[in-house]
Amino acid sequence: SQKIEQNSEALNIQEGKTATLTCNYTNYSPAYLQWYRQDPGRGPVFLLLIRENEKEKRKERLKVTFDTTLKQSLFHITASQPADSATYLCAPPPGGYQKVTFGTGTKLQVIP
Amino acid sequence: NAGVTQTPKFQVLKTGQSMTLQCAQDMNHEYMSWYRQDPGMGLRLIHYSVGAGITDQGEVPNGYNVSRSTTEDFPLRLLSAAPSQTSVYFCASSYSKTTEAFFGQGTRLTVV
Repeated sequence: SQKIEQNSEALNIQEGKTATLTCNYTNYSPAYLQWYRQDPGRGPVFLLLIRENEKEKRKERLKVTFDTTLKQSLFHITASQPADSATYLCAPPPGGYQKVTFGTGTKLQVIP
Repeated sequence: NAGVTQTPKFQVLKTGQSMTLQCAQDMNHEYMSWYRQDPGMGLRLIHYSVGAGITDQGEVPNGYNVSRSTTEDFPLRLLSAAPSQTSVYFCASSYSKTTEAFFGQGTRLTVV
């Protein structure tokens, strides 16, 4: 079945370092992936969308890559800050591959 | 411009009761969807709609009904609540397949 997988283990990094989060997909080929941030008790907030023909996309300290050969998207936060601590989710956009849901997300903790 | 508004924020139901979770958006979005989020399970798609009068099932539709009579509203009905439906429910909307999804603040439902 179609699946989105993220590392469910929490990622702890030191402030100022680059955080790299992984999203792997199996049994389908999404034309695009989105990345969201979710803080405790709140709904997800959109960060970036990357299409399959875009190898890389940037927004301020955020960078997303999309490797269709590896079936993987990487999400990078450079110069990480404690305020970046949250859970990060990847998913195909709602309205696209409807049966495929969000990954479980990766919880990032940036340590001062 | 309120975005996506969900009501209520909290609800406790007894097993067998029915209720409707409300979702409204004021962005004129065609796509709307309902998710549930459980610990360790991530966001799972319940139902979605690509426009007024059009709905379809997601990954976990059993026990839930939806309708979309207007562009703005997408209510989720629990027909006969069960403890397994204890969860946090999120409604989301997006303008199109390739644009970001906006999420509501969530409804925390407990079924006893």
